[in-house]
Amino acid sequence: ETGVTQSPTHLIKTRGQQVTLRCSSQSGHNTVSWYQQALGQGPQFIFQYYREEENGRGNFPPRFSGLQFPNYSSELNVNALELDDSALYLCASSGGGTAPYEQYFGPGTRLTVT
Amino acid sequence: LAKTTQPISMDSYEGQEVNITCSHNNIATNDYITWYQQFPSQGPRFIIQGYKTKVTNEVASLFIPADRKSSTLSLPRVSLSDTAVYYCLVGPSNQAGTALIFGKGTTLSVSS
Repeated sequence: ETGVTQSPTHLIKTRGQQVTLRCSSQSGHNTVSWYQQALGQGPQFIFQYYREEENGRGNFPPRFSGLQFPNYSSELNVNALELDDSALYLCASSGGGTAPYEQYFGPGTRLTVT
Repeated sequence: LAKTTQPISMDSYEGQEVNITCSHNNIATNDYITWYQQFPSQGPRFIIQGYKTKVTNEVASLFIPADRKSSTLSLPRVSLSDTAVYYCLVGPSNQAGTALIFGKGTTLSVSS
């Protein structure tokens, strides 16, 4: 069984640029959630996708957008990057029989905006 | 969602039992209590979940009193590798894939 994978591991971008982060969910899971974790803080919920549809969104602006594909992998896109977007971006998969509140996280993508 | 309060940090030595208490005074009837563990530069990992009384697995035990206004995560005989941030989450269990709401967690430091 393959766990949740994310790419790239690290990324450096300039303010104003756009970035796409990728996530492959664990086999059998149909739900993907994205989180942003700033240094010293707990992860903050960005949004969730269930069967290719957005299924909930946290307090993030529209320049944060996403996609889920038929194989349940997912992308997080961030436009017009700001310095405060520097963080660890985590993807988590669930569903297909997982317990409520049980999500499987990937290792994250460390984004640095300069 | 119920607000949770837990200590910012705790220190322990190898071989000791560690108990981390989480307060959730406004927990709702259909809320479950879930704990996650996070090592530096890794994603959080689900440890344990419970509704009432006691739950035990190979990693930890979770004690929940009858009024459910608090819970205690117990880690038996900790080792250096248990150094991590521990998060207490409280929320409804009516559907899978619910958005997780994390606080700042408790940073546990284990020394030799």
